[in-house]
Amino acid sequence: GQNIDQPTEMTATEGAIVQINCTYQTSGFNGLFWYQQHAGEAPTFLSYNVLDGLEEKGRFSSFLSRSKGYSYLLLKELQMKDSASYLCAVMDSNYQLIWGAGTKLIIKP
Amino acid sequence: IAGITQAPTSQILAAGRRMTLRCTQDMRHNAMYWYRQDLGLGLRLIHYSNTAGTTGKGEVPDGYSVSRANTDDFPLTLASAVPSQTSVYFCASSEGDSRYGYTFGSGTRLTVV
Repeated sequence: GQNIDQPTEMTATEGAIVQINCTYQTSGFNGLFWYQQHAGEAPTFLSYNVLDGLEEKGRFSSFLSRSKGYSYLLLKELQMKDSASYLCAVMDSNYQLIWGAGTKLIIKP
Repeated sequence: IAGITQAPTSQILAAGRRMTLRCTQDMRHNAMYWYRQDLGLGLRLIHYSNTAGTTGKGEVPDGYSVSRANTDDFPLTLASAVPSQTSVYFCASSEGDSRYGYTFGSGTRLTVV
């Protein structure tokens, strides 16, 4: 079966750095996505990795290791507005997204 | 309209009633999707359409139907609603190039009582 695992909840301090991990087992791989979802809102696209390595985009970076079935999202200089759920999703061999349950990130002042 | 529009925003529905959730996009994306999102679970695919005139079943299609008469519209119908269909429903669309992921509508919060 297909499976995406990520922690249910994490807590971090404003101004700090947090790493959200995601492991996956899917039938085929056509890229890994990270989405941000604020409470009561739609998911919004953050990043896409299809090759191994680190992709940096401002305060957010995403890393992928295909051989390990592993990714992480790194958030630097945390701000209160970063309090949200972060969803990991993998595009399988049929080009459909398989979603993790999401990690709720709580930022404390 | 900019992006994807879903209607209604929220709805309370009596069990056994028929309901259609509307989804319209103005980006000319070929592919469209319907997901439901429940607490503690990931987004689960109900139905999808890769192009106008075609539809397919996702992970949880039972009790739902869709149609894709044109590129822009992708309505989701609950033929006879049951309480287990209480959820937040998201419509999404995507371009052919997978690296851009999906664009989501703002969702419909449905409560079946």
